[in-house]
Amino acid sequence: AQSVTQLDSQVPVFEEAPVELRCNYSSSVSVYLFWYVQYPNQGLQLLLKYLSGSTLVESINGFEAEFNKSQTSFHLRKPSVHISDTAEYFCAVVNFNKFYFGSGTKLNVKP
Amino acid sequence: NAGVTQTPKFRVLKTGQSMTLLCAQDMNHEYMYWYRQDPGMGLRLIHYSVGEGTTAKGEVPDGYNVSRLKKQNFLLGLESAAPSQTSVYFCASSYAGELFFGEGSRLTVL
Repeated sequence: AQSVTQLDSQVPVFEEAPVELRCNYSSSVSVYLFWYVQYPNQGLQLLLKYLSGSTLVESINGFEAEFNKSQTSFHLRKPSVHISDTAEYFCAVVNFNKFYFGSGTKLNVKP
Repeated sequence: NAGVTQTPKFRVLKTGQSMTLLCAQDMNHEYMYWYRQDPGMGLRLIHYSVGEGTTAKGEVPDGYNVSRLKKQNFLLGLESAAPSQTSVYFCASSYAGELFFGEGSRLTVL
């Protein structure tokens, strides 16, 4: 069975500060891992994904995540956040074409 | 290119009423999904389909039915709505390991 745990339901942070959103997964098989972002009153959008290859993956807007197989983690990081990064972030794992999501982390960037 | 379109976007039902949510995608994707989103619980998979004419149960299928008569459409039905089905429903299709979401349908059951 697959499961995804996001330990932090809310993360407040000041603008230009670094941030880390934590994600741990459990799986008995190889997995593909994702981070999705949801802005208010919108659907989810893909932020970045790990399918294979380099364990460090990056998004176009400065986020990065590192796949750590030994710790079963896929934490999301950004060295300097902007007000526009305020959103809810979901970690997800897919297995046999079924996507499983964590409970989400609300990132609140304060000026 | 519309992507994934859900209708209706808002609906209020009384307990016991029935309704159907329609999802349409124009990307020719084989896989389609229905999720519900509730505060603090993330997205939970209701039903999914791996191709035209096929459907399968997800994590929380009880109280819902689905049909995939055409490749581009995936319908989610509530035969007898209950207050516990008050939620935001998201349809998605997938290709090459990526999910493409609709904008959601907010359903309130009184």
